[in-house]
This record gives sequence, C-alpha cells and structure tokens, in this order.
Amino acid sequence: TAGITQAPTSQILAAGRSMTLRCTQDMRHNAMYWYRQDLGLGLRLIHYSNTAGTTGKGEVPDGYSVSRANTDDFPLTLASAVPSQTSVYFCASSDSLEGSAEAFFGQGTRLTVV
Amino acid sequence: GQNIDQPTEMTATEGAIVQINCTYQTSGFNGLFWYQQHAGEAPTFLSYNVLDGLEEKGRFSSFLSRSKGYSYLLLKELQMKDSASYLCAVKDRDYKLSFGAGTTVTVRA
Repeated sequence: TAGITQAPTSQILAAGRSMTLRCTQDMRHNAMYWYRQDLGLGLRLIHYSNTAGTTGKGEVPDGYSVSRANTDDFPLTLASAVPSQTSVYFCASSDSLEGSAEAFFGQGTRLTVV
Repeated sequence: GQNIDQPTEMTATEGAIVQINCTYQTSGFNGLFWYQQHAGEAPTFLSYNVLDGLEEKGRFSSFLSRSKGYSYLLLKELQMKDSASYLCAVKDRDYKLSFGAGTTVTVRA
C-alpha cells in the first residue's frame, strides 16, 4: 500500500546526542514537510521541501536540519538534542505545490530527550 | 508568520451539530484545509476550500470567506467516533502549509 513511512516510531535520546528521523514516501510527491506537535500548540512547521534538491525553513527551524537528495526521502536531523525538542514529529507529503493538493501524514515519531 | 486561531475545545451531544470556527491571517492564500486527528494518530484530510462558499461532503461541510479570513467546519449528526481534534490549516503564497492549534471535540451520549 502506497504511503509515507517514518522511523523510528519512538525514541529516547540523551541530551547532546544527535539523531536523524527518517521519512520515506512512495507516492512520488513533490512537496514534503516536517512538523512537530506539542500539546496546546498544534502542528508547527519545522522545514519543508517543494521539490528534490530544495528546502526551506518553517516556523521553528532552529536546532534542526533537513536534506532532500531525492524525491522519496526527507530526513530530519537533530545535531545536538535538547529537552525542549521532546515532541511528536510528523512527516507529510503532497502531490504538488498547487493549492488543492492535500497533505498525507506519516504515523509520527515520538521523541523524548532526557 | 501565520496566525491561525480556532477554539481549544467544544462539547456536543450525539446527533447534534457543531460548528468549529477558524480565523486566519497569512502572507498570501492558496487554500484552506480541515484535518481530523484522533488521539495518538496522524491527521487525516477532511476538506479543502479555495473559493468563497460552502463545500459539502456527507456529514461534514466547510465554509470559506476570504475577505474576512474566516472558515468554519460544520459537523452534522454527530457520532461518538467524531470525538477528535479538528485542525484548520492554510497554504500561503509560498505553498507552506501552516496549522492552527486544533479544536478538541468531545461527543457525549
């Protein structure tokens, strides 16, 4: 079944360590997004990519980096994790930039930084 | 940045109607989306509006007024399974998709 896959499902990470959250989609979607979801704050955009080879900053990019080497993969890296990065991370993709293209979400990665 | 506001919580009775309002201020506009998210799950798409007016999809309808920066999601004939968070999201001129904080709807028997 086509879809968007995130790994790992959950992770406990020591502060100061680095980690890469993986996101892969097999729908050949152009646009991909990374969000974090915190209670009371909703989904906040971290980084996005409109097409392979390009990335852009969202609302809360500090402490995170992304790359988009190909259409399918959009990894999110935390270079040196801090407790405030404890959150649920969702990756999403959409068919195109066009307005009507809905975003499809992965099942999320629950990250705890201790 | 974007500014998208919606109520935090709403409670309604099974079989009733609930209207969730969303107001937004964004840099450009390329459409407004409503998503449903059950606890512990990923958001799923409900509706899309880009022109003024009402879009109806079964028990769910969504309305948009671009001049007022306003939308609402109408849920009719509420069922227990409709208990969830409802997220309003706007795509701006750069096609970035930004979300409001979400409205938690609780349906009571």
